[in-house]
Amino acid sequence: AQKVTQAQTEISVVEKEDVTLDCVYETRDTTYYLFWYKQPPSGELVFLIRRNSFDEQNEISGRYSWNFQKSTSSFNFTITASQVVDSAVYFCALSEAKRGGADGLTFGKGTHLIIQP
Amino acid sequence: NAGVTQTPKFRVLKTGQSMTLLCAQDMNHEYMYWYRQDPGMGLRLIHYSVGEGTTAKGEVPDGYNVSRLKKQNFLLGLESAAPSQTSVYFCASSPYLAGEQFFGPGTRLTVL
Repeated sequence: AQKVTQAQTEISVVEKEDVTLDCVYETRDTTYYLFWYKQPPSGELVFLIRRNSFDEQNEISGRYSWNFQKSTSSFNFTITASQVVDSAVYFCALSEAKRGGADGLTFGKGTHLIIQP
Repeated sequence: NAGVTQTPKFRVLKTGQSMTLLCAQDMNHEYMYWYRQDPGMGLRLIHYSVGEGTTAKGEVPDGYNVSRLKKQNFLLGLESAAPSQTSVYFCASSPYLAGEQFFGPGTRLTVL
């Protein structure tokens, strides 16, 4: 069965520091999709990225970057020059497309990121 | 374009009461999902639907029922609420298999 592990329960950094959130996944499928979502204090879930298992290229979007490494089953998320507005809970999630993906996302337990001014 | 909406936003029930949570999406998505979020647990899938008239069980389906009579609506029912069902419930929809899921704002349910 699939599983997503976010070992960092809470991370606290000072504004402008870089911070990396770890995500390790388990799946027996060769085709799968990985996601990151942000949940700010207001509670909504905000989509950040979707990556399929055949695309190991790193992705950069502004201050955000993602490092996907199949060899270590990891999909880590880095925020460069963090800002107070980045404070949120971040979830990594997995979808196994082999079963159609219709069985939803398997989420990690989340990492609570606190950016101190 | 409202996206995904959930009704109600908050609800307090007594043990044994029943209720229905409504999820509506205006994006013509085929796939819809219900999750629950508990402290320190992430989100867990309750039920999902791959199209109008179809539903299937997720990871934690016990105590819940669902219906998808119309493509745009996905209802989650609690027939006899229990304190263990105190949670925040999120609905989501997606346009295709394993695609990005668009989430509603959530419903905070307390069962006393």
